[in-house]
Amino acid sequence: GNSVTQMEGPVTLSEEAFLTINCTYTATGYPSLFWYVQYPGEGLQLLLKATKADDKGSNKGFEATYRKETTSFHLEKGSVQVSDSAVYFCALKETSGSRLTFGEGTQLTVNP
Amino acid sequence: DGGITQSPKYLFRKEGQNVTLSCEQNLNHDAMYWYRQDPGQGLRLIYYSQIVNDFQKGDIAEGYSVSREKKESFPLTVTSAQKNPTAFYLCASSKKVAGGSADTQYFGPGTRLTVL
Repeated sequence: GNSVTQMEGPVTLSEEAFLTINCTYTATGYPSLFWYVQYPGEGLQLLLKATKADDKGSNKGFEATYRKETTSFHLEKGSVQVSDSAVYFCALKETSGSRLTFGEGTQLTVNP
Repeated sequence: DGGITQSPKYLFRKEGQNVTLSCEQNLNHDAMYWYRQDPGQGLRLIYYSQIVNDFQKGDIAEGYSVSREKKESFPLTVTSAQKNPTAFYLCASSKKVAGGSADTQYFGPGTRLTVL
C-alpha cells in the first residue's frame, strides 16, 4: 500500500535559518504530492503541491520538488519566520483515486 | 465567500451518548471526507463520499456513521460504540477531475470533541 514518511520532529530553528523537512513516499504509479500546514487549533491549509515528476511546487517562500528517482518531496524555505511555527504534513494521492495518505506531521518551532 | 464550515468548534459529550458533527461546503465540490486527528499524530480517514447518496468506509470507520443526502453537507455521527472518541475531527472536500479522480482536498477548521 501507499505510505509517506516524514522526518521526525520536533524541529526548532532560529528566525532566518534555512528549513528542510524531509518527506519520502511509497506508491504505485505516479501520485500527486502535497504539503499541508496546520496552525495551532486550526484545520489544514494547502501549502503547495506537485502532480508529476520534476514539478516544483512553491508558495509563501516554501518550495518542494517532486523527485521520482528518490521518491521524495522535501520541503524547503530559505529564511524562516516566527509565524512559520506550525505542524507540516506531507501527503500523496494516487492518480486514479481520491484518498490522501498522510505522513505523521513535523512540528516546527521558530524562535526569534 | 466559498469555503468549508464545521460546527461546533468545541463539543462535549457524556459517555454513552451519540453526537453529530456538522460539515458544510459551498465550493460545489463532489467529494467530501472525514478525518480524525489525535495529539501528535497524522490524520486517519473515517469515511468519504464521492457523490450524493453514496459513501465508503475509510481506515477507522467503526463506531462512526455518515450520510450524504445533499451535495453541500456530510454530517458525521460519533456513536456510543466508538471506544475512544476524544479527538480533533476534520472535514475536507474536493472536486472531481477528468477521469473521475479527485482533485486537491481543502479542509475545514475542525471540531474538537471531548468525552466527559
